[in-house]
Amino acid sequence: QVQLVESGGGLVKPGGSLRLSCAASGFTFSDYYMSWIRQAPGKGLEWVSYISSSGSTIYYADSVKGRFTISRDNAKNSLYLQMNSLRAEDTAVYYCAREDYGEARYFDLWGRGTLVTVSS
Amino acid sequence: EIVLTQSPATLSLSPGERATLSCRASQSVSSYLAWYQQKPGQAPRLLIYDASNRATGIPARFSGSGSGTDFTLTISSLEPEDFAVYYCQQRSNSGTFGQGTRLEIK
Repeated sequence: QVQLVESGGGLVKPGGSLRLSCAASGFTFSDYYMSWIRQAPGKGLEWVSYISSSGSTIYYADSVKGRFTISRDNAKNSLYLQMNSLRAEDTAVYYCAREDYGEARYFDLWGRGTLVTVSS
Repeated sequence: EIVLTQSPATLSLSPGERATLSCRASQSVSSYLAWYQQKPGQAPRLLIYDASNRATGIPARFSGSGSGTDFTLTISSLEPEDFAVYYCQQRSNSGTFGQGTRLEIK
């Protein structure tokens, strides 16, 4: 069925690195822009990064620019987020989401999320 | 960065009542605004896109309106499953979210 499944979360020390993955199935992954969105415990949603369908266009929130890298492998139907120089404030559930619905592209399909905890 | 401010922070209503949630943008986002619903332990769900269009499978009791800087999500008659947190999001410039409105049972 149509779904996104995130993996790769866990406990990491401040300054450490982690790579998140998102496996897509049930739709033509290479047709869609994809995004990462995060949610700190008990807090609201924060869009982190998006990547175009071909991977040629990438955008980051200021809070992660220079530390996080988004990428995709259309042959493997997978989206990735490489997170370096992690900080306590990066602690959150990280969701991958598909972008669809017209020119503005909204998040119409979400994974269940993977928890990243940054703590010593 | 465009800031979205949602009001009220919490809304207490009973099933069957009408709910009106607001979202105000710090600058015009045209009609590039969406509403999402999130229940505890779940990922958000897209309800409304481009300010007033219902996403696939969303019941007709959900409606959106507005343009520019002021937007409204209306739930015409609350069902028990509608009590959740609601977020607005703009896509005029990147994709910032509002801080959310918690809709709770009175």
